[in-house]
Amino acid sequence: SYELTQPLSVSVALGQTARITCGGYNIGGKNVHWHQQKPGQAPVLVIYRDNNRPSEIPERFSGSKSGSTATLTVSSAQAGDEADYYCQVWDSGTVVFGPGTKVTVL
Amino acid sequence: QITLKESGPTLVKPTQTLTLTCTFSGFSLSTSGVGVGWIRQPPGKALEWLALIYWDDDKRSSPSLKNRLTITKDTSKNQVVLTLANVDPMDTGTYYCAHRLGSWDAFDIWGQGTMVTVSS
Repeated sequence: SYELTQPLSVSVALGQTARITCGGYNIGGKNVHWHQQKPGQAPVLVIYRDNNRPSEIPERFSGSKSGSTATLTVSSAQAGDEADYYCQVWDSGTVVFGPGTKVTVL
Repeated sequence: QITLKESGPTLVKPTQTLTLTCTFSGFSLSTSGVGVGWIRQPPGKALEWLALIYWDDDKRSSPSLKNRLTITKDTSKNQVVLTLANVDPMDTGTYYCAHRLGSWDAFDIWGQGTMVTVSS
């Protein structure tokens, strides 16, 4: 079965840039989506199809993809960005989530 | 405005069948490209996709749970029902339903989730 890899945790200083990676076989050929989940809350879609942002999501969130890695970038990180972030793809008609990355804002 | 809400039992005994209902508003599950998916999350763990049903009644489910899962829709009631047979304590967790927007190919709106505990 298809698997995605993410770092377990990422720390970022307040106001700096956090980068969360997502790896998977042939991820370049797939649409990558990113979901943010704050403690005790339901996930929220922050990036769809690699680098598109829903209208309600701040411009500080951006997505990119290169080679076998997709990256979610959070610029000017704020305390409210502390959350778990999950990448997600479709593979052979099924949905696959990454293991999640916990982002801590210092 | 699209909203989804999960409902069902909070406590289920091992070997029983869990039935969860997702009641939604703001969209129709007969619109081309639309889907509703179920995702769960054990306490302190990652998201796990379970199943998805499309507007045309195409159904997909997780290979690891396929034999235990059933997903159906009632378009007139704006509901999607998930059943999970022969539950085990490992099935304990929060269960979410989510709207799949065809043009984005993404789960763009999630329900608030419902916590289910499997215990005797």
